[in-house]
Amino acid sequence: NAGVMQNPRHLVRRRGQEARLRCSPVKGHSHVYWYRQLPEEGLKFMVYLQKENIIDESGMPKERFSAEFPKEGPSILRIQQVVRGDSAAYFCASSARATNEKLFFGSGTQLSVL
Amino acid sequence: SQQGEEDPQALSIQEGENATMNCSYKTSINNLQWYRQNSGRGLVHLILIRSNEREKHSGRLRVTLDTSKKSSSLLITASRAADTASYFCATDANGANSKLTFGKGITLSVRP
Repeated sequence: NAGVMQNPRHLVRRRGQEARLRCSPVKGHSHVYWYRQLPEEGLKFMVYLQKENIIDESGMPKERFSAEFPKEGPSILRIQQVVRGDSAAYFCASSARATNEKLFFGSGTQLSVL
Repeated sequence: SQQGEEDPQALSIQEGENATMNCSYKTSINNLQWYRQNSGRGLVHLILIRSNEREKHSGRLRVTLDTSKKSSSLLITASRAADTASYFCATDANGANSKLTFGKGITLSVRP
């Protein structure tokens, strides 16, 4: 049983480019969460999605950031026109049910903006 | 403001000793969870305690919850070098079912 798979592991972008982060949840899980972690900080909630629906995006910046979880395929976190402040580790987690009990995390994508 | 705040920020102990980490939170919760993060990796769920529970055990882990003080503690007994990691508490603030709020974490170093 594969865990949560995130790719790429490391992503380098220049300012103004787009970053696309992918997350495949645990097989059978239909609930996906995205978190951002800055150095020496805890994880900050960004968005919670179920298949084809955004349930809670209260942690997403209003501009440049979007997320989707299509019926088929991985969840995608998209950051347009990246800035240096977007540099962080982005973690995806999944769960089998619509509760926040016991999330399974991926290894994260380290985004570096030059 | 931070919902979950752990203390101490860093803890260094000798292998075989016990490690105690604390977490305080501000609002009412449904449950409180502890996660571990090894360097450069994702978080791994350790244990969950519900708001109507006071103590829970899992192997070498013991977690307590005091809802009157809005605090929790995680005890790791007979620590091992492999326990070296960052530990985070997470709460579902205001009973929201959609997201967990994490503290900044505690860095635990276990010296062999």
